[in-house]
Amino acid sequence: EDQVTQSPEALRLQEGESSSLNCSYTVSGLRGLFWYRQDPGKGPEFLFTLYSAGEEKEKERLKATLTKKESFLHITAPKPEDSATYLCAVQTPRNTDKLIFGTGTRLQVFP
Amino acid sequence: SAVISQKPSRDICQRGTSLTIQCQVDSQVTMMFWYRQQPGQSLTLIATANQGSEATYESGFVIDKFPISRPNLTFSTLTVSNMSPEDSSIYLCSVEIGTGRGYTFGSGTRLTVV
Repeated sequence: EDQVTQSPEALRLQEGESSSLNCSYTVSGLRGLFWYRQDPGKGPEFLFTLYSAGEEKEKERLKATLTKKESFLHITAPKPEDSATYLCAVQTPRNTDKLIFGTGTRLQVFP
Repeated sequence: SAVISQKPSRDICQRGTSLTIQCQVDSQVTMMFWYRQQPGQSLTLIATANQGSEATYESGFVIDKFPISRPNLTFSTLTVSNMSPEDSSIYLCSVEIGTGRGYTFGSGTRLTVV
């Protein structure tokens, strides 16, 4: 069964304290891995798509990387406005229009 | 990329009643997707809606409980029927941004059933 696991469930950081969020996956083939940010009361906001091991994508203080078993979302020098839940999702060749989501990492950044 | 307007943003409903959620996209899209996000849980796909054909439901979801309409390429509705407190969730619609580029989501409908 295709599965996505995110860790940690929650993360508290001081402003400027860099860290990484993990998304490990067990799937029957990977078509794409997606990172989203979700603020309370809002829908997920698309951040990145990664397709193959070794690929990296960056956006402001965020950098996503991908291996054959997991993805990391690195947050460099976070600010309070980076506080949100970060969701990881995968898409497989068997279900090309279905995203399988993890339960997310709730990030809080304190000034 | 596509912009999705979803409404209502939230509602409190009595058990046994039904609620219809609307999703409007600012561009034509082939497929629209409906997800459910239960409290503390991940997003789960309910069904895929293609214009001009019956929606395709995921395991555990049935048309009688979650009927979907897709009258044109920019609009879809999801109805949550005969609601019970277990249906309290956030319901989200989604469309593909571009082939292989990811998916965008509406702002969600927070449903509470009392």
